[in-house]
Amino acid sequence: NAGVTQTPKFRILKIGQSMTLQCAQDMNHNYMYWYRQDPGMGLKLIYYSVGAGITDKGEVPNGYNVSRSTTEDFPLRLELAAPSQTSVYFCASSYPAGDNEQFFGPGTRLTVL
Amino acid sequence: DAKTTQPTSMDCAEGRAANLPCNHSTISGNEYVYWYRQIHSQGPQYIIHGLKNNETNEMASLIITEDRKSSTLILPHATLRDTAVYYCIVRAKIQGAQKLVFGQGTRLTINP
Repeated sequence: NAGVTQTPKFRILKIGQSMTLQCAQDMNHNYMYWYRQDPGMGLKLIYYSVGAGITDKGEVPNGYNVSRSTTEDFPLRLELAAPSQTSVYFCASSYPAGDNEQFFGPGTRLTVL
Repeated sequence: DAKTTQPTSMDCAEGRAANLPCNHSTISGNEYVYWYRQIHSQGPQYIIHGLKNNETNEMASLIITEDRKSSTLILPHATLRDTAVYYCIVRAKIQGAQKLVFGQGTRLTINP
């Protein structure tokens, strides 16, 4: 299993541009999450999904959109990028049983200039 | 969710046990203590969790005090690869999406 994969690894955007951060998991996990991590800080939850077609806001959803059309994929859309969105973005997934631990992807480092 | 307090940084010699404390004095009866770590620039990695009994797995041991107001994560024989930021998170283990709240954690440095 590849686990949780994210693309791209790095990206530089200009203010006002848009982009989609891709996240995929091959573990058949129902739950998926998007976090952002600013320098020297812990992770903050942006959006999460409990299954295909169902998404909900986390702690810091403003400026982002998500969709979940399949169990495997959970893309994060940035519209009108701003310097405040410069961060490292992590996607995670979990299975609603057992330890319910979250498995994280390697992250996407985004810079908005 | 209960708030947690961890030291900002700690050092430990390679081969020794690393003991990472966490205070969670407002923990509720149904809340678990979870530990994750984040090795430089990587995504966080789950380590262990517990409710009130001590727990051990292949990575670490978790000791929770009898009153559950604090806990200690123990890495029994620390290696250089254990250098990371360690996060203590208190969360109810409900069946559903786990909206983890990460604080700033403890930056553990293992010295040769």
